[in-house]
Amino acid sequence: NAGVMQNPRHLVRRRGQEARLRCSPMKGHSHVYWYRQLPEEGLKFMVYLQKENIIDESGMPKERFSAEFPKEGPSILRIQQVVRGDSAAYFCASSPRGNNEKLFFGSGTQLSVL
Amino acid sequence: QKEVEQNSGPLSVPEGAIASLNCTYSDRGSQSFFWYRQYSGKSPELIMSIYSNGDKEDGRFTAQLNKASQYVSLLIRDSQPSDSATYLCAVNKGSADSGAGSYQLTFGKGTKLSVIP
Repeated sequence: NAGVMQNPRHLVRRRGQEARLRCSPMKGHSHVYWYRQLPEEGLKFMVYLQKENIIDESGMPKERFSAEFPKEGPSILRIQQVVRGDSAAYFCASSPRGNNEKLFFGSGTQLSVL
Repeated sequence: QKEVEQNSGPLSVPEGAIASLNCTYSDRGSQSFFWYRQYSGKSPELIMSIYSNGDKEDGRFTAQLNKASQYVSLLIRDSQPSDSATYLCAVNKGSADSGAGSYQLTFGKGTKLSVIP
């Protein structure tokens, strides 16, 4: 009965490189959310996806960031040409329904940009 | 004005005491309210949800909601050292009953609680 699985747990990138963060939701969950947590800041919503669809990406920066949740496989958050300001913990959450009633969070990916 | 505000703490209480955590929110249209617990370096874990005015109790935890004052609180009775964590208040504009509305949870920065043995 695995929970929300995120990998890698830690990711180090140099400025200008690409970062790919993966998230496998809990079994039976088809709703995935990505949140970012900056140091000393609260969790900030980035994007909400269902299988093969982006439902709400209003919290995601317009440039360099993209997300997908394909029919098969994990959800991917992709950050191109990373900058130091992208350093943060990125949490994925899933839910059985799309109303935020109960989110189950993964352990997060700590992205460090050198 | 910040959307969801919490006192960052740290809030220190002795073991066995009642810990009181407070949260205010700015959007009067908010419908659903949640408390998450986050241990250092770990993922947030939902501990309480509340949707209507009044109190909701679950074990040692009681959530209180006052929509008129735009205020939600969490009481932890008989605090234990294992309760030491950061507690995040989260607010959703949508209705839990209908499933409609915002898909976004707005989180406060969290209150760090330390329970002293």
